[in-house]
Amino acid sequence: DTEVTQTPKHLVMGMTNKKSLKCEQHMGHRAMYWYKQKAKKPPELMFVYSYEKLSINESVPSRFSPECPNSSLLNLHLHALQPEDSALYLCASAGQLAGYNEQFFGPGTRLTVL
Amino acid sequence: GENVEQHPSTLSVQEGDSAVIKCTYSDSASNYFPWYKQELGKRPQLIIDIRSNVGEKKDQRIAVTLNKTAKHFSLHITETQPEDSAVYFCAASIRGDYKLSFGAGTTVTVRA
Repeated sequence: DTEVTQTPKHLVMGMTNKKSLKCEQHMGHRAMYWYKQKAKKPPELMFVYSYEKLSINESVPSRFSPECPNSSLLNLHLHALQPEDSALYLCASAGQLAGYNEQFFGPGTRLTVL
Repeated sequence: GENVEQHPSTLSVQEGDSAVIKCTYSDSASNYFPWYKQELGKRPQLIIDIRSNVGEKKDQRIAVTLNKTAKHFSLHITETQPEDSAVYFCAASIRGDYKLSFGAGTTVTVRA
């Protein structure tokens, strides 16, 4: 399996809802990422997990809560989001072979916050 | 931190012509330079990359060149086709670093 998968593809939620995004990879990669992307803008890094431990948090508001249950899975828990959080949320993984940061992206979850 | 600038922001070419996108980076420690193609509604797809120990890399109609002295790298697409229409992002990374620093993106439109 050479792909990163994400569910759901689309998500609409109200500002009081709690929802979760899921990401899975079976490439044996030890680094996993969450990005937020607005239309025609580059992906914006949110979190990095390395060997299942949170390595980087780019000062993301606490209404976004990441979780890495095991080396293949990555979740992003959402609570009390704002309309400006509407975006494409991308998961990525990287094998860091020889120290090179070759990242592969999942198809993303299109999130709309009402 | 690393700063990557990308030009042009939009590029319109006639089918069959070549397209060139240029990026500059600020941190001389950067040693890995990937290019991503993102079609409308799709994921960013890694199309080619280059490491700092190589000056040029080619894969069919796409090629990337790297000038470490000037700290810039470029994507060249030859014989463009309508399916090359997409947003292209360059990026740079330092060896062993988890972060990719992205350019702002270039919207390429291939006119039939």
